[in-house]
Amino acid sequence: KQEVTQIPAALSVPEGENLVLNCSFTDSAIYNLQWFRQDPGKGLTSLLLIQSSQREQTSGRLNASLDKSSGRSTLYIAASQPGDSATYLCAPYNTDKLIFGTGTRLQVFP
Amino acid sequence: ETGVTQSPTHLIKTRGQQVTLRCSSQSGHNTVSWYQQALGQGPQFIFQYYREEENGRGNFPPRFSGLQFPNYSSELNVNALELDDSALYLCASSFSGDYGYTFGSGTRLTVV
Repeated sequence: KQEVTQIPAALSVPEGENLVLNCSFTDSAIYNLQWFRQDPGKGLTSLLLIQSSQREQTSGRLNASLDKSSGRSTLYIAASQPGDSATYLCAPYNTDKLIFGTGTRLQVFP
Repeated sequence: ETGVTQSPTHLIKTRGQQVTLRCSSQSGHNTVSWYQQALGQGPQFIFQYYREEENGRGNFPPRFSGLQFPNYSSELNVNALELDDSALYLCASSFSGDYGYTFGSGTRLTVV
């Protein structure tokens, strides 16, 4: 059974810092992994999709890496901004579903 | 290209009642999934439909049921509502999960 853990659970930083959000999963037989952003009470916004054959994906200030064999993915956020404040969720995809952890709640203050 | 739309946005129901939530898939997507997200938790998989057939189900009781229509829109039905069913219900669509999922804004269900 796939289990997903995200560390840290919460993070509060001043703007401008480069951030590292960690995700680990127990079953390495995944097709891909997605990172999402969720604002309070809202739906999920897809940030990055990494296929199982890929090592990383980049979009703007965001970069995500995937090490399937060790069951780890990392989301890097460069030059953080107050608008980045949200909960970040990683979700590996197995066969027919995404499995989510409880996320990292990020607050970036001016 | 329209995204995933869900209705209604908020709903209040009484324990024991039945509820239907609706979802319109993103254009070109043939797969739709439903997730339940309790406060402070990550989303939990309820079930998935591919071409009108259920092809995956999470650990939810049979009173959670669904439909997918020929235009790939979907419904989630919950019978005999319980207080613990209060949550944000998220719909997601995909052209096969290999290409990632697009989520809607969710329906906030409150059971009193």
